[in-house]
Amino acid sequence: GAVVSQHPSRVICKSGTSVKIECRSLDFQATTMFWYRQFPKQSLMLMATSNEGSKATYEQGVEKDKFLINHASLTLSTLTVTSAHPEDSSFYICSARDLGGTGELFFGEGSRLTVL
Amino acid sequence: KQEVTQIPAALSVPEGENLVLNCSFTDSAIYNLQWFRQDPGKGLTSLLLIQSSQREQTSGRLNASLDKSSGRSTLYIAASQPGDSATYLCAVLSNTDKLIFGTGTRLQVFP
Repeated sequence: GAVVSQHPSRVICKSGTSVKIECRSLDFQATTMFWYRQFPKQSLMLMATSNEGSKATYEQGVEKDKFLINHASLTLSTLTVTSAHPEDSSFYICSARDLGGTGELFFGEGSRLTVL
Repeated sequence: KQEVTQIPAALSVPEGENLVLNCSFTDSAIYNLQWFRQDPGKGLTSLLLIQSSQREQTSGRLNASLDKSSGRSTLYIAASQPGDSATYLCAVLSNTDKLIFGTGTRLQVFP
């Protein structure tokens, strides 16, 4: 199946710093990527839809100035957690849809963010 | 608003049993339904994708069915093995292009 690469897989940062997470579709192009957040023992919650060449669409309750999303190319979307705080510590997962295939969504391996 | 529920929330069975995991959704206007597996601290692995026009999909020991009108899907795991232990998530892709996840079923298969 198609491969989505997410980097870094783990990151620890100090409170107040910003952290960037990358999501790449390795063998297909994706005009749309999705960013999810998962708290321990809970399901994934959609944060935002990343659209290539345009602004991201954020779900209700998600601060767009806090979670900056950039989708500069058909194979790369980035999520930047700005001025991170301990409550931002979570597991972040991206996904991308293979437009050339069945429309199936493929997921990255996730990035665990710990804010001290 | 689409809501996706999975039953049971947790399941512990001996090796070799055949299992049925249930997923229900409130809005039948879906594009497709996907079943995923998630190991602790890991990302998601796609298991099966069922388009809205399909009734079931099979892959190895896994079989997933979809009854869109009643808002239900089941994942059948035949001859369960300890390696099947993981959390299983179903997710529906709505016509608004959003993937909504279920609450998950934590499966433990013991030898």
